Amino acid sequence: QVQLQESGPGLVKPSQTLSLTCSVSGDFITSGHYYWSWIRQPAGKGLEWIGHVYTSGSTNYNPSLKSRVTISVDTSKNQFSLKLSSVTAADTAVYYCTRGGWGTTNVVYWGPGTLVTVSS
Amino acid sequence: QSALTQPASVSGSPGQSITISCAGTSSDIGACNYVSWYQQHPGRAPKLIIYDVSTRPSGLSHRFSGSKSGDTASLTISGLQAEDEADYYCSSCTTSNTLVFGGGTKLTVL
Repeated sequence: QVQLQESGPGLVKPSQTLSLTCSVSGDFITSGHYYWSWIRQPAGKGLEWIGHVYTSGSTNYNPSLKSRVTISVDTSKNQFSLKLSSVTAADTAVYYCTRGGWGTTNVVYWGPGTLVTVSS
Repeated sequence: QSALTQPASVSGSPGQSITISCAGTSSDIGACNYVSWYQQHPGRAPKLIIYDVSTRPSGLSHRFSGSKSGDTASLTISGLQAEDEADYYCSSCTTSNTLVFGGGTKLTVL
């Protein structure tokens, strides 16, 4: 069974960079054909896809966030990470790391989510 | 990319059936068969309930079904039960190899 766990600071100051890590167990990030994604949800609002990294290492990002987002993989730790720069209060949300189905963008596995608040 | 369009809320009585629509464009739902639906209870992570337009994950109730016509996908829940009360989201891949979600629909079981 694939399990994902987000970790990182729960509080980030405006204009700084938000950094989160997703630890994966039950699977290897470099094996198979999967999309490893970050998705966020502001309190009381809907889901927003941030971006993904494919097993091959290629990445795609939400066009509205592309200039501020980097998703990368640490194969030695079986983790993938999110960096979101120049954050504002609008970036306050629960952030989820996820894995898709075989070769598809259907989001099958979700981490429990971690709340990140942007505030001075 | 614009979010897919879902009704903000739907409601139904126990035992009834409801349908939630998810309207997209020819660049997402209309071009992609990786359309999914998710159920989210308060304070919980979303749960996949339909993928590839109409496929149910193993073990999921047959009361949940999905379909697609043109640029619009639909989720139908039959035999409504109290535990079905939740938020429901659709998603679709896009021709740019990105993912887009709907705004979400709150289902109330009366």
